[in-house]
Amino acid sequence: GESVGLHLPTLSVQEGDNSIINCAYSNSASDYFIWYKQESGKGPQFIIDIRSNMDKRQGQRVTVLLNKTVKHLSLQIAATQPGDSAVYFCADGGTSYGKLTFGQGTILTVHP
Amino acid sequence: SAVISQKPSRDICQRGTSLTIQCQVDSQVTMMFWYRQQPGQSLTLIATANQGSEATYESGFVIDKFPISRPNLTFSTLTVSNMSPEDSSIYLCSVESFMTGGSGEQYFGPGTRLTVT
Repeated sequence: GESVGLHLPTLSVQEGDNSIINCAYSNSASDYFIWYKQESGKGPQFIIDIRSNMDKRQGQRVTVLLNKTVKHLSLQIAATQPGDSAVYFCADGGTSYGKLTFGQGTILTVHP
Repeated sequence: SAVISQKPSRDICQRGTSLTIQCQVDSQVTMMFWYRQQPGQSLTLIATANQGSEATYESGFVIDKFPISRPNLTFSTLTVSNMSPEDSSIYLCSVESFMTGGSGEQYFGPGTRLTVT
């Protein structure tokens, strides 16, 4: 899960490996979640979302898994590339469209 | 997805002054939001910019410090008033649009990096 505080969790992987980034949320009523990627000097970029009526959703090279029982969310990146290096945030969309509550973020570093 | 621009992209300001940040979207959107991202930290919602009415502020943020305007469906401003060094952050606008029949995905602008000296 993501830590709270000034020091972001880090994940270092080799190019070509699969990456898994985890996130815990607190609101059991939340029904919408989003993963964002933020590169240095840029705004967060939408990656993939999932609703609570699903436990898995796949995109291009990415998969999001949702475990509502333990309030846990994960982002899997297949065949990680150096361009995937960034800070990854999960966001909890609550029960209605609008306000997002962001997790603390995970720094992903991909080594060539 | 919507294309969002912000002005200025960065600024260095003296304490006690105010800065107005602009957010422009290339299409009409239903909802616009303003976030703050302090150095090395995550994003915190400041307020929801409501078109034609006063913004809705989150706990810890007040209108006198962060006045917001939203005169139409494509534009909003955030003012950081009477700045102090603690206001040094990245300020981001985001939008939520149902125009494409989507699910309410939120997209972010590039951010405004503010340094207060």
